Amino acid sequence: SQTIHQWPATLVQPVGSPLSLECTVEGTSNPNLYWYRQAAGRGLQLLFYSVGIGQISSEVPQNLSASRPQDRQFILSSKKLLLSDSGFYLCAWSADRGSEKLFFGSGTQLSVL
Amino acid sequence: GQNIDQPTEMTATEGAIVQINCTYQTSGFNGLFWYQQHAGEAPTFLSYNVLDGLEEKGRFSSFLSRSKGYSYLLLKELQMKDSASYLCAVEDNAGKSTFGDGTTLTVKP
Repeated sequence: SQTIHQWPATLVQPVGSPLSLECTVEGTSNPNLYWYRQAAGRGLQLLFYSVGIGQISSEVPQNLSASRPQDRQFILSSKKLLLSDSGFYLCAWSADRGSEKLFFGSGTQLSVL
Repeated sequence: GQNIDQPTEMTATEGAIVQINCTYQTSGFNGLFWYQQHAGEAPTFLSYNVLDGLEEKGRFSSFLSRSKGYSYLLLKELQMKDSASYLCAVEDNAGKSTFGDGTTLTVKP
């Protein structure tokens, strides 16, 4: 069966520090991968999605970036965190970009202080 | 772009029926998803509608009217564990899903 792992679960970082969140998927090949951010009491905002290795599409201009160095690995990064980067970050995968449900990782609660 | 509206909060009694509405305006429509999210956890898939009509799955049903840009999630025989946020998400023609802000449902005994 397919599983998705996301870590760390919680992270407290000072403003201006770098960020690296990692997500890996097991049990499937060539998944579509996504990074979402959720502000408190709000819906999910799509940040990045990837349909293959090295293929990254950005939805929202910001100081975050994403990379997909391997088929089932998706990394969210920042060189310098801002206060506004605080939120609940969710990695997700789907079998295909169209009409397929998303399977989410357990999320990372990021607090930038 | 996509614009999705859901009520912010709803309250219902254990054993009752509740309907959570979602209206949307979209430049392209490929389908509509409902997800359940408990506090501090990741969303989990509940239902998917691509054609007009009602999709039933146990205690949960979801309805779609594409001409009206309207969907609802119907929860029957409410249980305390159904207290959660319910997220409506619209998929566009490019396969990207845009989420509403969610409806927080509180089930009371």
